[in-house]
Amino acid sequence: QQQVKQSPQSLIVQKGGISIINCAYENTAFDYFPWYQQFPGKGPALLIAIRPDVSEKKEGRFTISFNKSAKQFSLHIMDSQPGDSATYFCAASLTGSARQLTFGSGTQLTVLP
Amino acid sequence: NAGVTQTPKFRVLKTGQSMTLLCAQDMNHEYMYWYRQDPGMGLRLIHYSVGEGTTAKGEVPDGYNVSRLKKQNFLLGLESAAPSQTSVYFCASNDRGNQPQHFGDGTRLSIL
Repeated sequence: QQQVKQSPQSLIVQKGGISIINCAYENTAFDYFPWYQQFPGKGPALLIAIRPDVSEKKEGRFTISFNKSAKQFSLHIMDSQPGDSATYFCAASLTGSARQLTFGSGTQLTVLP
Repeated sequence: NAGVTQTPKFRVLKTGQSMTLLCAQDMNHEYMYWYRQDPGMGLRLIHYSVGEGTTAKGEVPDGYNVSRLKKQNFLLGLESAAPSQTSVYFCASNDRGNQPQHFGDGTRLSIL
């Protein structure tokens, strides 16, 4: 049962372009939506996160857009750089003692120089 | 500042063999987690712990056991390895459930 669906599976963007990754969730009780970035041979690292009481959060070149009614959220990477080439995972979790994360399937981003 | 350290980094097992994966964190975190990562499936939670001496099942617990005898360590055991358990295993920790999880660099396990 995949509760968080992520697309696209892979994405190729030119340097300076905008990268957009989308996620959709099913469980309306989810209340925390982080994005993780993973480089080859490394563990995922938190990039940015949002809660459903806001529609957008921006940190530098990274922005999360959140649409509660559509149960969708997306990551936008502005002015994409070759160093952004990595795998990106969206995730969602419920309020609870352990904040168990449910991850999307991942998007492999390649930014061409 | 090591953060989350996983050992070993790579391992090849034969079907039926047993082994233990070790996760150690030096951040005095209460919560620890074990995930497996498979192509096209993201990360799936195997087991987790909310404190020393506690463990709980995640999404895919079958075939695995865990122990948290010390706050800084979280062990993942495979009693009788199966080819379906070939995966990359990640350990993570955080201070409280609503804090970001810090991940180790993974253990790549192949079962022949």
